Amino acid sequence: AQKVTQAQTEISVVEKEDVTLDCVYETRDTTYYLFWYKQPPSGELVFLIRRNSFDEQNEISGRYSWNFQKSTSSFNFTITASQVVDSAVYFCALSDSAGANSKLTFGKGITLSVRP
Amino acid sequence: DTEVTQTPKHLVMGMTNKKSLKCEQHMGHRAMYWYKQKAKKPPELMFVYSYEKLSINESVPSRFSPECPNSSLLNLHLHALQPEDSALYLCASSQAAGRYEKLFFGSGTQLSVL
Repeated sequence: AQKVTQAQTEISVVEKEDVTLDCVYETRDTTYYLFWYKQPPSGELVFLIRRNSFDEQNEISGRYSWNFQKSTSSFNFTITASQVVDSAVYFCALSDSAGANSKLTFGKGITLSVRP
Repeated sequence: DTEVTQTPKHLVMGMTNKKSLKCEQHMGHRAMYWYKQKAKKPPELMFVYSYEKLSINESVPSRFSPECPNSSLLNLHLHALQPEDSALYLCASSQAAGRYEKLFFGSGTQLSVL
């Protein structure tokens, strides 16, 4: 069965600090997709990134970067020089063949608070 | 237009009321979803519509009744709800219903059942 573990529940940092959000997943499939979504206080989940299981390249988008390591089944997310606007709940999610029709398995989420 | 619009933003209803939640997108997406999210929990999938047909019902109680009148609209009809149904109800859409698809979410309806 598929599973996503976000062991950190709450993280608090001061603005401009770097912060890494951890995500570990379990799946029996060789083809699967991993996602990160951000949920600010306004409520809507915002898509951040999608990675398929055959693409292990790390990705950088501005202050955001993602480290995908199949060997450790991890897909970690780093925010560099954090800002107050980064305060949100961050969900890692997995989609594999056990969950057809884009059924996502979400982790429990990490609440990030960035203090000025 | 990359928005998913949900109305109302807040809803308070009694256990005998009938109400409806509405969701609209104009991105040409052919898959639409209802999720339920309790406080400090991840979203839980309720229903998936693909090309206006119900493709997934996650064993949701019949007091929740989804409807997809056309490819842009998704409704969730509520009847005889219980206080434990109080939650944030999120609508989402994607280009198609596939496991690689990224979802676009609305900001949700915060429902309180008294």
